[in-house]
Amino acid sequence: QSALTQPASVSGSPGQSITISCTGTSSDVGGYNYVSWYQQHPGKAPKLMIYEVSNRPSGVSNRFSGSKSGNTASLTISGLQAEDEADYYCSSYTSSSTLYVVFGGGTKLTVL
Amino acid sequence: EVQLVESGGGLVQPGGSLRLSCAASGFTFSSYDMHWVRQATGKGLEWVSAIGTAGDTYYPGSVKGRFTISRENAKNSLYLQMNSLRAGDTAVYYCARNGRFGEYMDVWGQGTTVTVSS
Repeated sequence: QSALTQPASVSGSPGQSITISCTGTSSDVGGYNYVSWYQQHPGKAPKLMIYEVSNRPSGVSNRFSGSKSGNTASLTISGLQAEDEADYYCSSYTSSSTLYVVFGGGTKLTVL
Repeated sequence: EVQLVESGGGLVQPGGSLRLSCAASGFTFSSYDMHWVRQATGKGLEWVSAIGTAGDTYYPGSVKGRFTISRENAKNSLYLQMNSLRAGDTAVYYCARNGRFGEYMDVWGQGTTVTVSS
């Protein structure tokens, strides 16, 4: 069982918008602005898409945006494109005594 | 070009040991915290360990006491010594660079595969 909870799958048609949620606790998502999101295509390494809740690294499309409310963070992808089909993982710093970084279980995005 | 290249993966018997390496290039390695993250086939990402610029180390309970992360700044290299390996440690192991200011992983290697099996 992952420390952060994500939906197993989401889908959308090209051009539409989708949102992936990531629910944690006050010890991780809710307690710090250190939520990040990663995209992973099959057989590839993860790629940073969003850091510190809502910041985009250089080179990442502005179709990707992040937000947080309480213990839940969200990744929104607007104007869906075929190449957005991938697995998405959220992550957070945590103050847990046995962890330092926690990941969500991942969400499979299907572009219909 | 900023790059991380892992090596050292392979097949090892349960109870055995393996040492992974990660060669960094294109940035000032000594200035960054570093992580190891693993992913079992068909499963999600699991954080395995982290090391700070001062050599402080962090582990989750699942590997604490069995795995040791270290770094050699003069060689721009990160290591993961894995002992008492179990079948559940079978995964692709990635090294990743922590962001310069903040807690996120902004550069990832391509991964190296560890298989624990008799």
